[in-house]
Amino acid sequence: SQQGEEDPQALSIQEGENATMNCSYKTSINNLQWYRQNSGRGLVHLILIRSNEREKHSGRLRVTLDTSKKSSSLLITASRAADTASYFCATDARDNFNKFYFGSGTKLNVKP
Amino acid sequence: EAGVAQSPRYKIIEKRQSVAFWCNPISGHATLYWYQQILGQGPKLLIQFQNNGVVDDSQLPKDRFSAERLKGVDSTLKIQPAKLEDSAVYLCASSLSWDPGNTIYFGEGSWLTVV
Repeated sequence: SQQGEEDPQALSIQEGENATMNCSYKTSINNLQWYRQNSGRGLVHLILIRSNEREKHSGRLRVTLDTSKKSSSLLITASRAADTASYFCATDARDNFNKFYFGSGTKLNVKP
Repeated sequence: EAGVAQSPRYKIIEKRQSVAFWCNPISGHATLYWYQQILGQGPKLLIQFQNNGVVDDSQLPKDRFSAERLKGVDSTLKIQPAKLEDSAVYLCASSLSWDPGNTIYFGEGSWLTVV
């Protein structure tokens, strides 16, 4: 399966702490995306990282990609209660048609 | 910029009935996707369109699911007859093109409960 798998499945932290989520995948990719999903809502795009990139930042988010280990991580710094959501990584297929496959997600709970 | 629009937001039907979901992608987006998300799982790709042509429908249960995008803009996803296991959120998404590296934008989803 091409799907990425997130780890841990659930994470509970205090407001102000950092949250790290990991994603592992099995076959080579062109790109990897991270999404957030609040309960009952659609997916919100966070960051896209290409296979030739090692790190990207967006505000309090930092994404790394290690293609040799077939893994990525999402770091949220100084977390807020509003960051409570499920986080998904999505990896593309190598057929170059921009198809992305999702893992089962990490459920993050940030306690105020 | 308007996002991906989906309707209806919620639908409850009895098993063996039919249902249809509608999606209007972001203006100018050539690629449209339908994903199925069962509670507690990640989204699963059902079908991908490029304009009005199907790129991939390998995970679409074709005995009961159908989708079309006749004019290369709006799309409908139909389920007939529905089964209990079809209870899920149906997410429509779009991207500018099918070139690798295009961000995929999602709608709010259509929640289906089959009883």
